[in-house]
Amino acid sequence: DADVTQTPRNRITKTGKRIMLECSQTKGHDRMYWYRQDPGLGLRLIYYSFDVKDINKGEISDGYSVSRQAQAKFSLSLESAIPNQTALYFCATSDTRVSNQPQHFGDGTRLSIL
Amino acid sequence: QKEVEQDPGPLSVPEGAIVSLNCTYSNSAFQYFMWYRQYSRKGPELLMYTYSSGNKEDGRFTAQVDKSSKYISLFIRDSQPSDSATYLCAMSPGWGTDKLIFGTGTRLQVFP
Repeated sequence: DADVTQTPRNRITKTGKRIMLECSQTKGHDRMYWYRQDPGLGLRLIYYSFDVKDINKGEISDGYSVSRQAQAKFSLSLESAIPNQTALYFCATSDTRVSNQPQHFGDGTRLSIL
Repeated sequence: QKEVEQDPGPLSVPEGAIVSLNCTYSNSAFQYFMWYRQYSRKGPELLMYTYSSGNKEDGRFTAQVDKSSKYISLFIRDSQPSDSATYLCAMSPGWGTDKLIFGTGTRLQVFP
């Protein structure tokens, strides 16, 4: 089983719809992250969370919101989807109980907004 | 100008070749350097992780960091078709690894 699981893997929806992408992890890591990946732009950080009560904006948080429901679960919401939010979305985790550890990624959600 | 520059490729090499993948960066505060491998329809997978300057070797993979030139490299020896993937460099400042800055990735194709 994957350590970082993202659902759904693929989603096609229409402009204006509310969408939630979910991420769960079995690694026991305290920090979780949401990124989007676009061709030619690489991975960009949307939000990150140090623990359940600590949420931080990343580079491109406008139009997105997040919820850390538990240490193992971190969801990303698009309240009113627009076509330029079409991208690959990745969740990642890291363990800061050991200092400055790298991030580990899930397999992504491919989101298309028509 | 982007903080991290990476040639998008594609880089096409025959099986058995030595591959060199590179990134340049502009922020002298970067201290942590990573290489990720990403197969099609999969997430980035951590390959190498180094702190500050120097070399690190793991099997067929060697990561080099030259902070004076702001240049990092990943070498793959005896390349295999299974190495065909996109390789992403990533780096972060010395105070932690939360805010990774990624290169756009280099697509590598190793043909038999």
